[in-house]
Amino acid sequence: SAVISQKPSRDICQRGTSLTIQCQVDSQVTMMFWYRQQPGQSLTLIATANQGSEATYESGFVIDKFPISRPNLTFSTLTVSNMSPEDSSIYLCSVEGGSLYGYNEQFFGPGTRLTVL
Amino acid sequence: GDSVTQMEGPVTLSEEAFLTINCTYTATGYPSLFWYVQYPGEGLQLLLKATKADDKGSNKGFEATYRKETTSFHLEKGSVQVSDSAVYFCALSDQGYSTLTFGKGTMLLVSP
Repeated sequence: SAVISQKPSRDICQRGTSLTIQCQVDSQVTMMFWYRQQPGQSLTLIATANQGSEATYESGFVIDKFPISRPNLTFSTLTVSNMSPEDSSIYLCSVEGGSLYGYNEQFFGPGTRLTVL
Repeated sequence: GDSVTQMEGPVTLSEEAFLTINCTYTATGYPSLFWYVQYPGEGLQLLLKATKADDKGSNKGFEATYRKETTSFHLEKGSVQVSDSAVYFCALSDQGYSTLTFGKGTMLLVSP
């Protein structure tokens, strides 16, 4: 399976600041995804990030709040901007398996646990 | 739209007990179905999957059968261990799409 790393693994931030989360994959992948998992809740898709194009955001998520970069086929970043305590969540990136590991199968990073004070 | 419904937890069992976690789904096409597991403090790991009706996914003693007639994908294990304590998520990916729709997750607690 694809091996995915995220940085930072956790952070505690002040209200009004921004945090950029990095996601690195050990192989080239077409589709990458960013999810949010609020405390005690399921995963909610924030956006789909394809290399060379703008990210596609799900309903309720906007680019100004969650800007995403996808500079190449192995890397992406998610920024949580102007944070408030409601943004305290685990943020996970995932990748589609593609032709190597299987389409419609996703592999997840370990997550970034964000606490906003 | 697509949706996944899981039984609410926590499910509390003694070691070596039989486990069933129910999952039903609603989808417009012919989805692929997945079970993911999240151990305490960790990210999600794919546990098993099934891509078409009557397929059985299995891994680490866990099994789930894709039942199109009942739109279900229940997770079972014959004898649970303490190390199985985790949150289990049922998910689907609709045909031709890569995005996953998750259930709310079911916490499993296994005591010695």
